[in-house]
Amino acid sequence: AQSVAQPEDQVNVAEGNPLTVKCTYSVSGNPYLFWYVQYPNRGLQFLLKYITGDNLVKGSYGFEAEFNKSQTSFHLKKPSALVSDSALYFCAVKSNYQLIWGAGTKLIIKP
Amino acid sequence: GAGVSQTPSNKVTEKGKYVELRCDPISGHTALYWYRQSLGQGPEFLIYFQGTGAADDSGLPNDRFFAVRPEGSVSTLKIQRTERGDSAVYLCASQNRQGGADTQYFGPGTRLTVL
Repeated sequence: AQSVAQPEDQVNVAEGNPLTVKCTYSVSGNPYLFWYVQYPNRGLQFLLKYITGDNLVKGSYGFEAEFNKSQTSFHLKKPSALVSDSALYFCAVKSNYQLIWGAGTKLIIKP
Repeated sequence: GAGVSQTPSNKVTEKGKYVELRCDPISGHTALYWYRQSLGQGPEFLIYFQGTGAADDSGLPNDRFFAVRPEGSVSTLKIQRTERGDSAVYLCASQNRQGGADTQYFGPGTRLTVL
């Protein structure tokens, strides 16, 4: 069965430091992978996706993600965190037509 | 351009009542999805429309849940005889085409509370 795991419930990072939010997946065939961000009382906002090609994908707000097929991972990264990056982050994999979601990782950026 | 809109933003109802939740997708998007998100969890797929027809309704939890998209644009999720366990945020997303690589864009959600 297709699945996504986000092993960290919460990640704490000091402002200005690099951040990584981890995601691993299990899917048959070539995966379509997505990252979304959710701010309090707001909907899910698309950040970036991996379909094919370059393993390093760049997205909105300075975020990027690295696809690693051998490790079945798609970690979200940013070189320098901002306090405004504090939010809930979801990794998802496309299975047929629907998205299969991780449980989410709460990212807290401290000034 | 306008994004996906959902109304109402909040709905409080009593156990046993009927509710309707509306989704207005991005203009021109042919695919529309409904998800349900409980506190502290990722979204859970409910149903997918391609045009007017429900292409996959395998995520609907039981026959109290029903959704329509009669003209291939606006969709309504209908819940009969609501139960306290139905309380969640109901999310709608639209996608330009049917292709798996395309991005789903989400509305702000409707928070349903069943008392």
